[in-house]
Amino acid sequence: QKEVEQNSGPLSVPEGAIASLNCTYSDRVSQSFFWYRQYSGKSPELIMSIYSNGDKEDGRFTAQLNKASQYVSLLIRDSQPSDSATYLCAVKVQGAQKLVFGQGTRLTINP
Amino acid sequence: GAVVSQHPSWVICKSGTSVKIECRSLDFQATTMFWYRQFPKQSLMLMATSNEGSKATYEQGVEKDKFLINHASLTLSTLTVTSAHPEDSSFYICSRGSGLSSYEQYFGPGTRLTVT
Repeated sequence: QKEVEQNSGPLSVPEGAIASLNCTYSDRVSQSFFWYRQYSGKSPELIMSIYSNGDKEDGRFTAQLNKASQYVSLLIRDSQPSDSATYLCAVKVQGAQKLVFGQGTRLTINP
Repeated sequence: GAVVSQHPSWVICKSGTSVKIECRSLDFQATTMFWYRQFPKQSLMLMATSNEGSKATYEQGVEKDKFLINHASLTLSTLTVTSAHPEDSSFYICSRGSGLSSYEQYFGPGTRLTVT
């Protein structure tokens, strides 16, 4: 079982709709979770971090964490074509500073 | 603005030669920086954790004698790919932590290495 799993997609969403990206992780004691966006040919950029169960909102983005289910998600409201990218879920390794990344979900927003 | 820079942004080298990639933390004195490699259509794979003033910590399967990491100052870490081969062609990306207990990482723009 991979440490961090994401559906690789591609996920196609019409412009203006809500895009929902999901991630599961295997280490039950993980405490820190991150979502990164990566455009083709570019490096990842941090979108959101979440540490507590529940929802965390930042503009059009909402991260959701459920530690009991070992599940973290990212919702993008009012999706725009500029949101088309690969979204990477990352989990901090307990007892270390390093992150483990999922394989990423490729998202396409259709005008 | 950017908080991490990398140089060069791309490099082409011949098989058997060595290439050095620089990673600079622009706004923060980073005691720890990270080096990743990303092959096309694959995710980020951590190669090593670079520690200022001490040896780097390499991930399992990464050859420390081939990928030399030096973190001589609080703002500069370097990765040298020695005796490069075509299979080393990849996108190399460094990052720095946030310096807080949040453990967020901020990435440089990456260096695309092509070995011919």
